[in-house]
Order: sequence, then structure tokens, then C-alpha cells
Amino acid sequence: EAQVTQNPRYLITVTGKKLTVTCSQNMNHEYMSWYRQDPGLGLRQIYYSMNVEVTDKGDVPEGYKVSRKEKRNFPLILESPSPNQTSLYFCASSLLQGAPEAFFGQGTRLTVV
Amino acid sequence: KQEVTQIPAALSVPEGENLVLNCSFTDSAIYNLQWFRQDPGKGLTSLLLIQSSQREQTSGRLNASLDKSSGRSTLYIAASQPGDSATYLCAVSLMDSSYKLIFGSGTRLLVRP
Repeated sequence: EAQVTQNPRYLITVTGKKLTVTCSQNMNHEYMSWYRQDPGLGLRQIYYSMNVEVTDKGDVPEGYKVSRKEKRNFPLILESPSPNQTSLYFCASSLLQGAPEAFFGQGTRLTVV
Repeated sequence: KQEVTQIPAALSVPEGENLVLNCSFTDSAIYNLQWFRQDPGKGLTSLLLIQSSQREQTSGRLNASLDKSSGRSTLYIAASQPGDSATYLCAVSLMDSSYKLIFGSGTRLLVRP
């Protein structure tokens, strides 16, 4: 089954404790991205990647890092989480050719206390 | 700057009613437009994708139209059911190097039995 898998689904952590949210897709998609969803602000892109070793900032990259060492994986790293990073996070992937459909993971609800 | 607006923000209808959700966008330079469904606290499920060269797409009881020149899309749901209750989001894919999705704020739909 074609899917984007995020882990963990839920996470509560303390300020400053480094964490990684994993994202994996099994569709051989070149493009992967991370979004956060906040009440009143909607979904905003954090980072994206066009292919292995090619990443770039989205609209709200501050406080986040990403890496793309393999085509299928695109982890989101919070080196020193802060309470304002409490949010619902989504990973997405798509092909780059044509006008491709974006596939989203089930989301990770992160709470930073 | 691309902006996506969805009207109405919330909608409550009795079961069986046909309904229309609206989405408008300010810049017609898009690759495609996607309609998503989001259940509370859950991920995004892609419902329909309309490429910029297309006028409409249909899937079961759902029909989405796109008028790129006027910056409008509608999602038509026929014979609504309580199981259709969810938030519906539209998103446009920017025609630039980022392939970023710009989301509307969503329409929260409640279908009453």
C-alpha cells in the first residue's frame, strides 16, 4: 500500500530536549516536505527536499533541521524544542514530474512543555 | 503572494442535502489544486486533484471544479451523509521551484442525521 509513515504519532517532551520525527514513503517520490498546522494559522511549510541531499527552507524553518540521506526518508529534527513548536506536524511526498498529487502522513502531535 | 480562502468556515446541513464548498486563490500560476479531508486530530486524506489544465474531477459523490482564470474552485458533495462530517481543505501547488502547497483555512462540515 502506498503510504507516508510518520513516527511517533504523539510526543510530549520538555524544552531543550532534542528530538527527531521520522518520515518514510514507499512510493519512490523525489519530493518530500514538512508542514506544521496551528489553529488560526493553517498549514505552513517548514522545509522541503527535491531529492537526496537537496533540501531548502519553507516558510517557517526557524528551530528545525532536516536531512535527506536516502530517497525514502526525510526526518525532522528539533535540536532544542521550545513551547512555540507545540503543533501538529505533517510529512508529505510527491513526484516532481507533471502536476503531481501530494500524499500526507497521519501527523505527529507534538507538545513541548 | 498566493492566498487561498475558503468559504464558509463552517457548515451544518441535514443528511441527504447536496452542498457546495468554495475555495478561491489570488494567483492563477498554479500546477494543480487539491481537495483534502481532515478528521479531528487526524491526517490529511486527498480527495480530488485537478491539474491546472483540467476543469473538473469526479470521485463517487464528490465533484470538484476549477476555474483558473477567476481563481475559484468548488467541491460539490451529493447526498451528504453523517460520515462526511470533517474539515475540508483546499490547497494549490505553487508554480515555482518550491512546489509548495498553499492551504486554505478549511470548511468545517457537520452533517446531521
